[in-house]
Amino acid sequence: EVQVVESGGGLVQPGGSLRLSCAASGFTVSSNDMSWVRRAPGKGLEWVSVIYSGDYKYYADSVKGRFTISRDNSKNTLYLQMNSLKTEDTAVYYCAREVVASGGRWFDPWGQGTLVIVSS
Amino acid sequence: DIQLTQSPSFLSASVGDRVTITCRASQGISSYLAWYQQKPGKAPKLLIYAASTLQSGVPSRFSGSGSETEFTLTISSLQPEDFATYYCQQLSSYPYTFGQGTKLEIK
Repeated sequence: EVQVVESGGGLVQPGGSLRLSCAASGFTVSSNDMSWVRRAPGKGLEWVSVIYSGDYKYYADSVKGRFTISRDNSKNTLYLQMNSLKTEDTAVYYCAREVVASGGRWFDPWGQGTLVIVSS
Repeated sequence: DIQLTQSPSFLSASVGDRVTITCRASQGISSYLAWYQQKPGKAPKLLIYAASTLQSGVPSRFSGSGSETEFTLTISSLQPEDFATYYCQQLSSYPYTFGQGTKLEIK
């Protein structure tokens, strides 16, 4: 079964750091473009970052310079290192694989998400 | 960045109703549009990709149409399990953006 499972969320003070993990099964993380997406309380979905299969990385302006996306091929796991956290980073964070096929692109699968709360 | 404007933001409907959600892109995105359904506490679920292709396993009462800047998601006959929040997403160019969501509630 193709799936991803996020972990690593929690409560952190403003200015603090946290590392999220996304363990994949049924497919190879390094062979796919992988993204992080978040949903803040009461808000909609916001794309955060992508790491291409070719290792190029791209970030939303709201997290650029603070968040770093990476992967460990030996563990088939995606990461999001979050530094200098702000209260507005409070959200459920999802990882998702980008599928390119049949003339289209889409995200699938998605994980259940991991909750990050930034508060003093 | 490409902006997606979804309408309506809230929709109240009854079981058996036909509903349509619109997603407008600020510039042409060909057919690089996907629709997702999200229920509270759950991961987003892919419904439609390439603007009009139904994902395997998704009921045929869901359909999508459109291209470039104007897209629609239609549910032909609402079922109780369809009450959820729906999002469109453009995958034409990064940053991949989402519509603000449409919350579909039971009337």
